Amino acid sequence: DTGVSQDPRHKITKRGQNVTFRCDPISEHNRLYWYRQTLGQGPEFLTYFQNEAQLEKSRLLSDRFSAERPKGSFSTLEIQRTEQGDSAMYLCASSSWPDSNQPQHFGDGTRLSIL
Amino acid sequence: AQRVTQPEKLLSVFKGAPVELKCNYSYSGSPELFWYVQYSRQRLQLLLRHISRESIKGFTADLNKGETSFHLKKPFAQEEDSAMYYCALQNFGNEKLTFGTGTRLTIIP
Repeated sequence: DTGVSQDPRHKITKRGQNVTFRCDPISEHNRLYWYRQTLGQGPEFLTYFQNEAQLEKSRLLSDRFSAERPKGSFSTLEIQRTEQGDSAMYLCASSSWPDSNQPQHFGDGTRLSIL
Repeated sequence: AQRVTQPEKLLSVFKGAPVELKCNYSYSGSPELFWYVQYSRQRLQLLLRHISRESIKGFTADLNKGETSFHLKKPFAQEEDSAMYYCALQNFGNEKLTFGTGTRLTIIP
């Protein structure tokens, strides 16, 4: 297992376009998290899933953002009508719950640049 | 609301000197505290967590509930310690992580 995998690594798009990112968690992990990191800041929580159920969404997740995990494996994060302020690194992490000894494992992230 | 504060954005230390990266938190319940590290061109990875009470790569961190601090320490810095360090807090029973803004540690040869 290569760990958490995210695709694409980089995405450049024009303002107003829709973008979709994919995250493949570690195979036996049932929890999957999305974070956003802007320059000079630490990662900020966006949302998380347990299997296919989305259990919590941050107020940072506006109605232009939607995340899915349809089969409890990979997840997608879609941003509609992108804005300049959406430029950030989008990080995915996974963990095994309720195994409290397992920390969250992070992927390399998808860097989004809005022109 | 929970919050993690890392007062130093940048910290430079000579090789062989002691290192201390500061972390303070605010949270009303019983938090779990972590230190994550990101080396150049690598992904964010866990360094240590307070419940493990381990020393990883020579680093230790003690949770001080009275001072609401979780400072990261190492007695003798090594060049390979140069990295970005993030302190993070997790609610008991909720695995969402709240991160500080990070400290970039540079070890001077």
